[in-house]
Amino acid sequence: EAGVTQSPTHLIKTRGQQATLRCSPISGHTSVYWYQQALGLGLQFLLWYDEGEERNRGNFPPRFSGRQFPNYSSELNVNALELEDSALYLCASSFSLFEAFFGQGTRLTVV
Amino acid sequence: KNQVEQSPQSLIILEGKNCTLQCNYTVSPFSNLRWYKQDTGRGPVSLTIMTFSENTKSNGRYTATLDADTKQSSLHITASQLSDSASYICVVSVDGGYNKLIFGAGTRLAVHP
Repeated sequence: EAGVTQSPTHLIKTRGQQATLRCSPISGHTSVYWYQQALGLGLQFLLWYDEGEERNRGNFPPRFSGRQFPNYSSELNVNALELEDSALYLCASSFSLFEAFFGQGTRLTVV
Repeated sequence: KNQVEQSPQSLIILEGKNCTLQCNYTVSPFSNLRWYKQDTGRGPVSLTIMTFSENTKSNGRYTATLDADTKQSSLHITASQLSDSASYICVVSVDGGYNKLIFGAGTRLAVHP
């Protein structure tokens, strides 16, 4: 069974541009969580989508947004990129509140 | 403020040796505590998960303990292997929901031959 897949694995953007990150959950999982992991820091919760709706968002500016498609895959969009947005962005999927599985992440570099 | 603090920040040990990583938390209410292993540039992989009533749980050479009274947890790695080199992250859940997890910054472990 395929795990959570994220694309692209690496992304380089310039300041002010927009970035789109994608996540395909494990088959049967309806929830997708997005996290930001800046270098040397712990994971910070970004967004939670379940059944196509945004259920909760972390303490991030509106530049960070996303959506979940009918097939439960998800996109994370970051507008007006800033240098400090450089981080590993992790997606996790779950079918319950109690356990989730992480993807490999997308390494976003803003130059 | 809900916080999870891990120590040490980094650790170097020789292959075959044991080590113990520490996690202190001030999260309330408490639902469960997890330890994850994260290889560089990869997503975290769950090692153990413990609820309030559990005080120890093993997964192969990994043994996690939990003292809910002192709000401390430890991860003990036995007979370390080179492949154990990774970051180990302690995560505390407020109410079981994955959107309310409090992550520690991790302990970076390097196992040298």
